[in-house]
Amino acid sequence: DQQVKQNSPSLSVQEGRISILNCDYTNSMFDYFLWYKKYPAEGPTFLISISSIKDKNEDGRFTVFLNKSAKHLSLHIVPSQPGDSAVYFCAASWVRDFGGNKLVFGAGTILRVKS
Amino acid sequence: DTGVSQDPRHKITKRGQNVTFRCDPISEHNRLYWYRQTLGQGPEFLTYFQNEAQLEKSRLLSDRFSAERPKGSFSTLEIQRTEQGDSAMYLCASSLGVGQETQYFGPGTRLLVL
Repeated sequence: DQQVKQNSPSLSVQEGRISILNCDYTNSMFDYFLWYKKYPAEGPTFLISISSIKDKNEDGRFTVFLNKSAKHLSLHIVPSQPGDSAVYFCAASWVRDFGGNKLVFGAGTILRVKS
Repeated sequence: DTGVSQDPRHKITKRGQNVTFRCDPISEHNRLYWYRQTLGQGPEFLTYFQNEAQLEKSRLLSDRFSAERPKGSFSTLEIQRTEQGDSAMYLCASSLGVGQETQYFGPGTRLLVL
């Protein structure tokens, strides 16, 4: 079953405008959420994370919002730049009793920022 | 650069051959993860090491797959008797080893089985 879903396969945004990427999850055990950015033929690069005890985390142009009741999170990029064009993955995890927190990923959203 | 490294970056092999991939995590990181990514999908968890102990394996990890982390530093992932369905990007990630934490990924090994 798909526990983390990114329902928009792609998004196109004009340079300077806001990009909003969405993610939904089903597993109530998840307590840590991350966004990664990926270019072709490279590994995912960490962008920003949020713990379930918070509803917002901000880092420069990137802000992540978490709505636990709706099991929904979103990534806002303001302002969007052409270099932001990539695939964005939402991931979720929880810490096991034996340690470790395997990540469960969504299928990704392709962001294209047009100049 | 002291990030996660993986070798080789690309591997082409014939069906039935064995392949081995290596991952060197960030030096102070105790936890090491392997993931597999196929086209159009997000990475899927394969296995996890805490130091040299393999603590979790996915049901995706068939008996043809084996992973080791002999001294708690680098790790290897071996696939025996490769099949065309094994073609994917194999990603390694590491993390410090404390509670909720961020995993940092290597560049991946792209495997193509002909």
